[in-house]
Amino acid sequence: ETGVTQTPRHLVMGMTNKKSLKCEQHLGHNAMYWYKQSAKKPLELMFVYSLEERVENNSVPSRFSPECPNSSHLFLHLHTLQPEDSALYLCASSQDDKGRGPGELFFGEGSRLTVL
Amino acid sequence: AQSVTQLDSQVPVFEEAPVELRCNYSSSVSVYLFWYVQYPNQGLQLLLKYLSGSTLVKGINGFEAEFNKSQTSFHLRKPSVHISDTAEYFCAVSDPDQGGSEKLVFGKGTKLTVNP
Repeated sequence: ETGVTQTPRHLVMGMTNKKSLKCEQHLGHNAMYWYKQSAKKPLELMFVYSLEERVENNSVPSRFSPECPNSSHLFLHLHTLQPEDSALYLCASSQDDKGRGPGELFFGEGSRLTVL
Repeated sequence: AQSVTQLDSQVPVFEEAPVELRCNYSSSVSVYLFWYVQYPNQGLQLLLKYLSGSTLVKGINGFEAEFNKSQTSFHLRKPSVHISDTAEYFCAVSDPDQGGSEKLVFGKGTKLTVNP
């Protein structure tokens, strides 16, 4: 497999369910990201992990819980979500070398989440 | 903080016509600038980027963009579009002094529809 792989591609859940989104990158990168993409809104950065440590958390509600067990895997655990959380959740990875500018972001195809 | 404005949410054009997608960013001494493309049901992929040097940047699929510091713009152009260019295009900016892909700020996107 190559690139960034996200599973599942589609997920429907009730507000009381607990589910997880999974992301795996096969590019040897040192940083991974979760973005939320909603209609007519800019891409929203949710979490960033660099070398498996969380370096960014953009005031995301606690019902979203990230986990990065190693540099190749990233999870987003979901519980007691709201209908407004329905969106496309995109995972990305990059190789960021300090002083050489931001690395190119490589995105997965996304997980389309619908909260009923 | 940086911000990005994509002036057109939708741009319809005919096949083989030229196209320009507009992007303006908030003023800063220096910036890194990017264009990403998202084809239907896929994640985003990098089209081109400006970090330094020549203000005219060439990317994949025949696209190019020009960095205009005085007008704080980074418009994307293609002289002749194909049906396969139908996609959503995102402009993004980051501050070199902050570095890191996590500092990328995205615009709301422009949907390009190429009609036969």
